[in-house]
Amino acid sequence: GQNIDQPTEMTATEGAIVQINCTYQTSGFNGLFWYQQHAGEAPTFLSYNVLDGLEEKGRFSSFLSRSKGYSYLLLKELQMKDSASYLCAVIGNNRLAFGKGNQVVVIP
Amino acid sequence: DAMVIQNPRYQVTQFGKPVTLSCSQTLNHNVMYWYQQKSSQAPKLLFHYYDKDFNNEADTPDNFQSRRPNTSFCFLDIRSPGLGDAAMYLCATSREVVQFFGPGTRLTVL
Repeated sequence: GQNIDQPTEMTATEGAIVQINCTYQTSGFNGLFWYQQHAGEAPTFLSYNVLDGLEEKGRFSSFLSRSKGYSYLLLKELQMKDSASYLCAVIGNNRLAFGKGNQVVVIP
Repeated sequence: DAMVIQNPRYQVTQFGKPVTLSCSQTLNHNVMYWYQQKSSQAPKLLFHYYDKDFNNEADTPDNFQSRRPNTSFCFLDIRSPGLGDAAMYLCATSREVVQFFGPGTRLTVL
């Protein structure tokens, strides 16, 4: 089976940097995704990592360490609209499994 | 714009009354998925179609059925909704690895 752990909630100030961690256990690893989900809306794709290292895309960066079963999503220059749940999802043996998500609350 | 569309966005049904949720896509993706997501929980895969091949998850209740009449459309049928089936139902599509989600249908069961 697959197991994905994320912290449940964090609060950060507008303009700050926040790091959201995800640890996973799976067999047949074939990639890790980060999705953003605003309340009552569908998940929106942010990033996909399949090799170790850091992928940067504007204010968002995602890091993967396959040997440690660990990833993080880094959000820079936080904006109020970044208040959302951030879902980590892992493909293992061709099956995609989601974590419960980390709720990020951005305050002024 | 190419996209995944779900109708209706909000659906209210009565306990035991069959309901159908629809999903359509203009992305021409060969794989379509249905997920159930309850509040503060991870999306849970119910089933998916790889082209016309139907793949049911082992723990998906028989109460949930699906149809894919063509590449663009996929339906979720809930034969006898119970109170526990109230949730957001998400449709997603993919061609390779990344899944793209529709806006979801929020189902309320009275």
